[in-house]
Parts: sequence; structure tokens; C-alpha cells
Amino acid sequence: EVQLVESGGGLVQPGGSLRLSCAASGFTFSSYSMNWVRQAPGKGLEWVSYISSSSSTIYYADSVKGRFTISRDNAKNSLYLQMNSLRAEDTAVYYCARDWRSGEGVNYMDVWGKGTTVTVSS
Amino acid sequence: EIVLTQSPATLSLSPGERATLSCRASQSVSSYLAWYQQKPGQAPRLLIYDASNRATGIPARFSGSGSGTDFTLTISSLEPEDFAVYYCQQRSNWPRYTFGQGTKLEIK
Repeated sequence: EVQLVESGGGLVQPGGSLRLSCAASGFTFSSYSMNWVRQAPGKGLEWVSYISSSSSTIYYADSVKGRFTISRDNAKNSLYLQMNSLRAEDTAVYYCARDWRSGEGVNYMDVWGKGTTVTVSS
Repeated sequence: EIVLTQSPATLSLSPGERATLSCRASQSVSSYLAWYQQKPGQAPRLLIYDASNRATGIPARFSGSGSGTDFTLTISSLEPEDFAVYYCQQRSNWPRYTFGQGTKLEIK
């Protein structure tokens, strides 16, 4: 079964740091690009970051650029998100999602984890 | 930046009825648009990609149409499990994904 399982969420004070992990199973992790997407309480979906299969290409949303770092370990089938200088507005459920390319050559997110909750509050 | 606007914000219908959800892009995204379904407390699920193709395992009552700037998700006959929030998404400004604000489909 194709599966993504996030972990590492929790309560952190403003200005603090947290590292999220996403464990992949049931597919060849090293062949897929990956994403982090977040959802603030009662709000919609916001793409956060993208990493290619070999880690050669990385992108961030403007809202997290310079504070968050995405990485992966293909040997461990794991994706990470290092979050520094956290703000109250970073409070959200964080999902990892697999990047999949359609027949038209367009990428979408076809497999999602259940998410891990990050709360930034004093 | 391409903005996706979904309408209506909330749609109240009964099981067995037909649902029509709209997504409008601020500029053309060709046919490169997806729809996701999200139930409370769950992760989003890919329903439709490339505007009109159903993802693996998605029932035939779900269909997508449109191109350019105007897109529609249609659920032909609502089942109780279809009541959820639906998001459209595009990636024309690769690699950044953009989502619409969502349409909540609720039981009338």
C-alpha cells in the first residue's frame, strides 16, 4: 500500500524551531518529487515547498522562504521540513504529498499523508 | 500570479441531486487543472486531473470539464459520502501550486 506518514508536529513558541518528517512506503520514493502543503485552522490549502527526486531542485513559497528548509533522504525513504523562526501564522496541519506527472506532462499531488499539526503559540 | 476563484463558497444539496462546482482562473491555465476532495479531519484526495480525467479509483459520477479560465466539477448524483470541501488547483506557474479557496458541499 502506498503510504505517507508525517510526524514531528507539536506546540512551539514563536521564534522556535521544529523538524517535520514524512516516512514513505509502498512505492519507489527516490523516483518521485515531493511537496509540503499546509492548512491553517479552518482555512484552505497552501503549498509550502517542493523538492525534486534527487534534491537538485528546491522551491519555497514566499511566506516561508529563508525560514524553512526542505530535504530528503532517499536511503531512508524520508522527507523532512526544518522550520525555523516560527510565527503564529505558521500554525497549521502540515501534509506531505507525492508529486505525480500526468500524461499531459503536468504535475499534481496524487498521494497525501494524514498530516501533522504544528501550533505556534506562547 | 494566477488566482483561482471558486464558486459558490457553500452549496447545499440533497443526496441524489446533481452538484455543479465552478473554478475560474485569473488567466489561462490551458487544461492543467485538478480537483481535490477533502473530508473533515482527512487529507485531500485527488479526484480529477488535466481538467477532465478521473484519478484512480474515483467513481464515474465525478466529472470535470473546461479549459482556459473556466472549469467545472460535476457530481451527477450525490451520495452521502460526497459531502465535503472541494478545491481546484493549478500549476501553470511551475513549481508553485495554487489552490482555490474551496467550495463546501453540505447536506440540505
